[in-house]
Amino acid sequence: SQTIHQWPATLVQPVGSPLSLECTVEGTSNPNLYWYRQAAGRGLQLLFYSVGIGQISSEVPQNLSASRPQDRQFILSSKKLLLSDSGFYLCAWSPTGGLNTEAFFGQGTRLTVV
Amino acid sequence: AQSVSQHNHHVILSEAASLELGCNYSYGGTVNLFWYVQYPGQHLQLLLKYFSGDPLVKGIKGFEAEFIKSKFSFNLRKPSVQWSDTAEYFCAVKVAEYGNKLVFGAGTILRVKS
Repeated sequence: SQTIHQWPATLVQPVGSPLSLECTVEGTSNPNLYWYRQAAGRGLQLLFYSVGIGQISSEVPQNLSASRPQDRQFILSSKKLLLSDSGFYLCAWSPTGGLNTEAFFGQGTRLTVV
Repeated sequence: AQSVSQHNHHVILSEAASLELGCNYSYGGTVNLFWYVQYPGQHLQLLLKYFSGDPLVKGIKGFEAEFIKSKFSFNLRKPSVQWSDTAEYFCAVKVAEYGNKLVFGAGTILRVKS
């Protein structure tokens, strides 16, 4: 069966420090991968999505970037964190094959920038 | 670009009351529609989904949703809510023409009073 791993679960980082959140999927190949940020009252904001290795689509201009160095690995990064980067970050995957696929979510990372 | 609107951010109901949560999307082409639920302290999970065929879809825990193409709507319903339905509910839309990206609404927080 397929599983998604996202770590760490919580993270406290100082302003100006770098960030690396990792997400990996097991049990499938060539998944679509997504990074979301969840904020109270704003739902899930799509940050990045990827349909293949090295293929990243950015949805909103921001202080973050994403990379997909391997088929089932999706990394969310920042060179210098801002206070406004605090939030709850969710990774998700869906099977390749177009519309008829639902997304499955990781447990999320609570990031606090201090 | 596609967008999803959820009309109510907070809903409070008594047990056994009927529920309807509104969801409208902006894209006029072929879409797949989803409702996800997030129970307190848990990760997002799928309630139900519409891909094609019968516009009335049934999901887990007695939930159902009706796709009305002419109204660009996909409202979630349950005839009689329970205290355990207290959660946040998210509507989402996926459009193949936009690279299979999955876009969520802002969410509706449902509190059921016992």
